[in-house]
Amino acid sequence: GAVVSQHPSWVICKSGTSVKIECRSLDFQATTMFWYRQFPKQSLMLMATSNEGSKATYEQGVEKDKFLINHASLTLSTLTVTSAHPEDSSFYICSASPISYEQYFGPGTRLTVT
Amino acid sequence: AQRVTQPEKLLSVFKGAPVELKCNYSYSGSPELFWYVQYSRQRLQLLLRHISRESIKGFTADLNKGETSFHLKKPFAQEEDSAMYYCALPNQAGTALIFGKGTTLSVSS
Repeated sequence: GAVVSQHPSWVICKSGTSVKIECRSLDFQATTMFWYRQFPKQSLMLMATSNEGSKATYEQGVEKDKFLINHASLTLSTLTVTSAHPEDSSFYICSASPISYEQYFGPGTRLTVT
Repeated sequence: AQRVTQPEKLLSVFKGAPVELKCNYSYSGSPELFWYVQYSRQRLQLLLRHISRESIKGFTADLNKGETSFHLKKPFAQEEDSAMYYCALPNQAGTALIFGKGTTLSVSS
């Protein structure tokens, strides 16, 4: 149980285009979902926290207009990287939380912007 | 401010040797601490949380409030323990987890 999926697992896009990444909790309802960014051989950096039906809370330094987060249902959150640039290339990981502090992670999405 | 420090980037041990992965924290109040593990090409998963006081895969971690530490220990390392280990605690708002930079454990035979 407690499986979180992400789609796509890998995406390549051209500079200036937008990319949407989906995060789904498959067998539980997630009141809260989180989006992280992970650079090679580095730790997870929390980008934003989203609660179903409300606006996401972004961490300091994360551009909310660039990284659009939608948490439309208790099982789905999306991250859209708008007007992507090569520096946005990274590994994006989501996690879903059914209850306080308990987080289940997705497998991650590798974004490459050319 | 809440902070997690994992001083070692890499820890290399031989199979059968004891392992201690260090984690120090800064937290106002009573912390709830976690260890997460990421095996090669796999997703991050919860290894243990201090509140449950469980031993998972032979690993244990004791919260030491005096030393503000939550070191992860295993008496006899196995090759399959090779992975990236992250220590984590809640952020100030209590809404998300803050992760340390991680320690790569490499167990060789």
